[in-house]
Amino acid sequence: KAGVTQTPRYLIKTRGQQVTLSCSPISGHRSVSWYQQTPGQGLQFLFEYFSETQRNKGNFPGRFSGRQFSNSRSEMNVSTLELGDSALYLCASSVRTGPSYEQYFGPGTRLTVT
Amino acid sequence: DAKTTQPNSMESNEEEPVHLPCNHSTISGTDYIHWYRQLPSQGPEYVIHGLTSNVNNRMASLAIAEDRKSSTLILHRATLRDAAVYYCILRDVSSSNTGKLIFGQGTTLQVKP
Repeated sequence: KAGVTQTPRYLIKTRGQQVTLSCSPISGHRSVSWYQQTPGQGLQFLFEYFSETQRNKGNFPGRFSGRQFSNSRSEMNVSTLELGDSALYLCASSVRTGPSYEQYFGPGTRLTVT
Repeated sequence: DAKTTQPNSMESNEEEPVHLPCNHSTISGTDYIHWYRQLPSQGPEYVIHGLTSNVNNRMASLAIAEDRKSSTLILHRATLRDAAVYYCILRDVSSSNTGKLIFGQGTTLQVKP
C-alpha cells in the first residue's frame, strides 16, 4: 500500500498570505490528523477529521482550518500567515488495531513564512 | 491526558541493545502505551504499543511494569539507522480522541559506530 502523501513538500509564503496543504491518507484509512512541528513547541496536534467531520481540535487560532473530502483526502488552510507559522506540517492517517489505533505519518510540508 | 516522562537523550553503541525508559505514574486503566520514533527529516513512525503484557514485533520489544507506571522500549541490536527521537505516548481508548496524539519532548537516541 502507498503511504501517506503530502503536497507540496516545501512552500515559501509571505506574511499575510494564505496557504493550503494537501494530504492523501493510506487507502482505507478514514481518519486524518494534522500536526504542527516547530523547534520550540515540538509536535502539536492541530485537528482530526473522520468521515468528512472534524472530530477533535487542538489549541490553535481560527486561522487554522481544515476539511476532509468523501475520498478521505484532507486539506488544511492557514489564513493571514504570520512568521510564527513557519513549521513542518505533518499529516497522519489512523487505523484501528484492536481497541487502540496506529497512526501513519506523511513526510510533511515544510512551510516558511517570510 | 496522562503524562509521560522520558530522559532527554541517550547514547548507545552500534549492535548493542538499547533500553529506552518511560515513566507514566498517572496512567489509567484504559491507557495504551504507544511508542513512535522520528528519524531525521522524516515524519514520526509507529513502533509498538501495548496495554499490560510485554509485546514484541519486528522493530522492537515493549516491556511494561506490573503496576503499569513505567515501560521500556527495547531495541535488541541498535543500528545507525535507529538514531532518532523516541516518543512514549499514552492513548486512552475510552475517549473519542482516537486521532490525537500528545507528543512530549521524547528521547533523542544517538548511536555510535
